[in-house]
Amino acid sequence: DIVMTQSPLSLPVTPGESASISCRSSQSLLHSNGYNYLGWYLQKPGQSPHLLIFLASKRASGVPDRFSGSGSGTDFTLKISRVEAEDVGVYYCMQTLQTPGYTFGQGTKLEIK
Amino acid sequence: QITLKESGPTLVKPTQTLTLTCTVSGSSVSNSGVGVGWIRQPPGKALEWLALIYWDDDKRYNPSLKRRLTITKDTSKNQVVLRMTNMDPVDTATYYCAHWWTFGESFDYWGQGTLVTVSS
Repeated sequence: DIVMTQSPLSLPVTPGESASISCRSSQSLLHSNGYNYLGWYLQKPGQSPHLLIFLASKRASGVPDRFSGSGSGTDFTLKISRVEAEDVGVYYCMQTLQTPGYTFGQGTKLEIK
Repeated sequence: QITLKESGPTLVKPTQTLTLTCTVSGSSVSNSGVGVGWIRQPPGKALEWLALIYWDDDKRYNPSLKRRLTITKDTSKNQVVLRMTNMDPVDTATYYCAHWWTFGESFDYWGQGTLVTVSS
């Protein structure tokens, strides 16, 4: 299985500041088509997860441009610029290169200071 | 607008078989590029992918749970069914179904989830 490791696991942020979450995979997620099969999801308190970023760097429909994804191979980053109170929740990365055997990271809990 | 809704028992006994149904609206489970998957989340823990069925009836399972899982779809009802055998208290979790988007290699819409408790 491809193991996904996120850091930090807890992320206190002051509103208006930026935040970054790292996701590392135990194997490269770069497909032969040139895309990295890595997605980012946010689970707000008491809600279902929803898609933020797909293919490592593409924003899903309706996602504010404050959210950006980057990285390739085994190292990926989700950056949130100008954090707002509505951004609190648990952020998960997920790899979909290895089929079967899709795997999520452990989650990073973002909270407002 | 694509919506998904999970249905099934909230309580099952150990060793019993769990059957969950996902009803999809706004997207056909037989449309090219579409899939429906199941993901679960034990209380206070991380997400775990379980299974995925594609528009062409191709199926994928989490290797660690494959022997216990069966995923099927009913195109006439636009539903996807997950069966999990030999339930154990460690299987207590919220079970989500989600719409798979092949182009984006991701789950772009999620159901609200259903909490299943395994207890005698």
